[in-house]
Amino acid sequence: AQSVTQLGSHVSVSEGALVLLRCNYSSSVPPYLFWYVQYPNQGLQLLLKYTTGATLVKGINGFEAEFKKSETSFHLTKPSAHMSDAAEYFCAVTGKTSYDKVIFGPGTSLSVIP
Amino acid sequence: DAGITQSPRYKITETGRQVTLMCHQTWSHSYMFWYRQDLGHGLRLIYYSAAADITDKGEVPDGYVVSRSKTENFPLTLESATRSQTSVYFCATAPLGTNEKLFFGSGTQLSVL
Repeated sequence: AQSVTQLGSHVSVSEGALVLLRCNYSSSVPPYLFWYVQYPNQGLQLLLKYTTGATLVKGINGFEAEFKKSETSFHLTKPSAHMSDAAEYFCAVTGKTSYDKVIFGPGTSLSVIP
Repeated sequence: DAGITQSPRYKITETGRQVTLMCHQTWSHSYMFWYRQDLGHGLRLIYYSAAADITDKGEVPDGYVVSRSKTENFPLTLESATRSQTSVYFCATAPLGTNEKLFFGSGTQLSVL
């Protein structure tokens, strides 16, 4: 069974500092991996996804993530945090078929300190 | 362009009552999903559907019933609500498969007293 863990339920960074949100997965088959963001009182929005090919994936709002198969990780980074990045971030995993379940991690709440 | 509409936005009910949460999409996406969001658990899949009249269980289906007679609607029914079902419920869609981008509604906040 697939699963996702996110280290740190809450992360605080200063404005302009590096953002690093950690995601590790377990999967018996090569997965598809996603990062979603949730702003207060809203649904989730896709930030980026990894399917195949280049392991460094660029997403919206300056975020990127790197798929590391040997470490079963898909950490999310942004070089310089902005106040508008404060939100809940979810890592998710699914299989390559169109009917595999999408499993979400518990989420990491990001605070940006001015 | 409404996209995904969830109703009601907020709902308070009592233990033992039947409650139905509605989800309507205007995109004709094949796949629809119901998730519940709880602190510390993230989002957990309740049920999903690949097309009209095709549904399948997710991680936490007990106590819930779904139907999908039309592509655009995917109601979620709590047959006899319990306090443990107090949660925020999200409906999501995907055009052709679960391995694509999911589009989420704004959620329904349900309180069971």
